[in-house]
Amino acid sequence: EADIYQTPRYLVIGTGKKITLECSQTMGHDKMYWYQQDPGMELHLIHYSYGVNSTEKGDLSSESTVSRIRTEHFPLTLESARPSHTSQYLCASSDGAYTGELFFGEGSRLTVL
Amino acid sequence: SQQGEEDPQALSIQEGENATMNCSYKTSINNLQWYRQNSGRGLVHLILIRSNEREKHSGRLRVTLDTSKKSSSLLITASRAADTASYFCAPSYNQGGKLIFGQGTELSVKP
Repeated sequence: EADIYQTPRYLVIGTGKKITLECSQTMGHDKMYWYQQDPGMELHLIHYSYGVNSTEKGDLSSESTVSRIRTEHFPLTLESARPSHTSQYLCASSDGAYTGELFFGEGSRLTVL
Repeated sequence: SQQGEEDPQALSIQEGENATMNCSYKTSINNLQWYRQNSGRGLVHLILIRSNEREKHSGRLRVTLDTSKKSSSLLITASRAADTASYFCAPSYNQGGKLIFGQGTELSVKP
């Protein structure tokens, strides 16, 4: 069982609201990732971090921002949510070792009205 | 593109049958990983095969890797309704690097 947690699991909000999706892991992993996935579609890497104070944008451009102040915490923020941000957001972590196996959270499903 | 491409996109079989899913990738890899995703949930790591391995087993799962063809296959034997999920391959091009996922194969196992 992976020790990586995402909250909230479901969120419905109105346009223009600021939201933060939380992701925490208790495995001491250096690397953390955010993926965005629409139903039945591929996962798109939108942000990743290789350690504290290190963040990079992924392959899919996103209006969201992330921070990595503590090893275990990697929150994602949308300053002004829009309907186009409606999606599932998946957080993952890895220990950065040879294998690079990812451990995923259960996801946060965001609906912006 | 760094992602793997799964084939077929969808597969429907009866319980007890075997399910085979394929993955192709573009350039030399360090390893290739397979993941499973139940509807609306996060992905779960199933198995990893290194570039110098040709076959690997884990329970009812069998993964093969052909680096000359840049392809891998995942075989699930004696499938069960609980195997219904999407399956993704993820080629890893460097040590401990980020993984890019494709669209996956949606497997439906009918009781």
